[in-house]
Amino acid sequence: QQQVKQSPQSLIVQKGGISIINCAYENTAFDYFPWYQQFPGKGPALLIAIRPDVSEKKEGRFTISFNKSAKQFSLHIMDSQPGDSATYFCAASSGGRRALTFGSGTRLQVQP
Amino acid sequence: GAGVSQSPSNKVTEKGKDVELRCDPISGHTALYWYRQSLGQGLEFLIYFQGNSAPDKSGLPSDRFSAERTGGSVSTLTIQRTQQEDSAVYLCASSSSPDSLPYEQYFGPGTRLTVT
Repeated sequence: QQQVKQSPQSLIVQKGGISIINCAYENTAFDYFPWYQQFPGKGPALLIAIRPDVSEKKEGRFTISFNKSAKQFSLHIMDSQPGDSATYFCAASSGGRRALTFGSGTRLQVQP
Repeated sequence: GAGVSQSPSNKVTEKGKDVELRCDPISGHTALYWYRQSLGQGLEFLIYFQGNSAPDKSGLPSDRFSAERTGGSVSTLTIQRTQQEDSAVYLCASSSSPDSLPYEQYFGPGTRLTVT
């Protein structure tokens, strides 16, 4: 019930292309869905987040699409750049504690 | 401003020894979280502190793990009688608003623990 499933496990995209990472959840109590970016040897960095009362949120080249009925959300990276090469984690939380339940991660490689 | 800091950055210890990991949250953040990142288990929640409330220890994997937070700021995660399966990166995060928007959590760089 607490699990967040993420796909694909790895992704290779050409520079300038669109990177798409998908996540699905089961727990309908989740009401906050952030995406984190992690570079090797660093902690996860908050990239963008969404709440289920909106279907899309865009910040620069990063967009979250949210489908409440399907219990799915995705991250789109437009005009992908080699500097975007990192591991991306989706996550979800609920309630007062707000502990994050993470997806398994997607390793993105953007080829120049 | 300064972010979340953790020390040490790397720790190698022998099986059976105790270790202490330290976290300094962002100043003014009342909520503090510990997570563990390992190859087999991914990123998993361990423990949560909020103000003066009793900590939420529901994610601790065994009674060998404990944590405390002094003065509502610095936190120490202690692992007693370390085992090889404890090898992982231990991440600390803090938040200014765990129970109201925007719920953002900011992570430190982590402590890489290797148990030999």
